[in-house]
Order: sequence, then structure tokens, then C-alpha cells
Amino acid sequence: GAVVSQHPSRVICKSGTSVKIECRSLDFQATTMFWYRQFPKQSLMLMATSNEGSKATYEQGVEKDKFLINHASLTLSTLTVTSAHPEDSSFYICSAFPDGKDYEQYFGPGTRLTVT
Amino acid sequence: AQTVTQSQPEMSVQEAETVTLSCTYDTSESDYYLFWYKQPPSRQMILVIRQEAYKQQNATENRFSVNFQKAAKSFSLKISDSQLGDAAMYFCAKGRGADGLTFGKGTHLIIQP
Repeated sequence: GAVVSQHPSRVICKSGTSVKIECRSLDFQATTMFWYRQFPKQSLMLMATSNEGSKATYEQGVEKDKFLINHASLTLSTLTVTSAHPEDSSFYICSAFPDGKDYEQYFGPGTRLTVT
Repeated sequence: AQTVTQSQPEMSVQEAETVTLSCTYDTSESDYYLFWYKQPPSRQMILVIRQEAYKQQNATENRFSVNFQKAAKSFSLKISDSQLGDAAMYFCAKGRGADGLTFGKGTHLIIQP
């Protein structure tokens, strides 16, 4: 149990285009999901907290107009990178916090975004 | 800003030996959770062990155990009988309830056969 999927696993897009990444909790409901970003050989940095039915909460320094988050159901959150540029190339990881739990969040396998 | 510090960018240990990874953190909260995650080359984050701050007893999971010193804000991970499959990046993290996690910079663990 407690599986989180991400789609796609890898995506290459051209500079100026937008790309959407999906995060799904497959066997549990998650009102709260998180989006992290990981640069090569670096740590995970929390970008935003995604809440079902309400606006996402962004960490300081994260451009909300560039990284659009939609959490339309209790099992799906999407991250759209708008007008992508090469500096947006990174590894994006989502996690889902199961409803009713106290502490543990489950991580997706990540999405590698390359902007050319 | 809350910080989590891992001062060892890389550690190396002989197979079957014991290794300790260090982690310190900064917080003004009294109730929180601490975690150690393993990230193998696949990049999938795997929970190794967690510790509730209100529990004095150190958490243990098979070959993995922690030394939690709340007053010193220290949370080290001991891996006993190291195995080749333990080779990975290890991240220390802190969180509280349904909050996003704050991660340390990670320690690259190498297992020498």
C-alpha cells in the first residue's frame, strides 16, 4: 500500500513551452501533497504545499505564476511549469500525506524535466 | 528559517562494519518528527527510520538505529553490519504533522566490499 505515482517520469520540452507533471496517490486519499525540487547532487527543496480544493502555499522564492499547482481531487495534484526555461531543468518529486495520518508522507518516483 | 545540517558529504565503510551518519537541526518547536531517508541511484526516496521528538527512546529498525539527543538537537543514524545495498545518499529531514519536510544536504554512503 501507500503508493504514489508520477507521470511522466522524464520529459524534454523546448524553451518557452509549458509542461504538466501529475502526482497520484494510488491507494489512499491525500488532502495534502507536496512538491519538491532536486538539483543534481543536491538536496530536496520544498517548493509548495498542495491542498485539495484550495490554493497552493508556495515557499519563499518560488514563483507561483511559473509553477502552477492544481489539486482537483483527493488523489491527484498537478504541477505545471509555464514558459519553461533551461534553468527550470531539474528533478521534481511529489509526496502525498495520507488523510488521518500524523507524520508520514509517501514519495513519488520523481520526474526529470529537461528544457532545451 | 529552520535548518537541518549534515556535516559529512561522503562517508565510506567496509562491508559488515558499522557507520554513523550525523545530523543536527535547528528548531523552536517542541513537537516534531525527524526522519532518515535513503535515496538510491533510482532517485526514489525510501524512509529508513523516523523519530517522534516527544519520545525519549531511540528508534530502531533492524540494522538501523538512531541516537536522538533532543537538547543538543542531534539525530544521528547508525547502520550496523553494512551491506552493499546500503550504498546510497542519505538525507536527514525534519517535519511536523502535515507539513513539508526540511532536508539536510545529504551524505553519500559508500560501502567498500
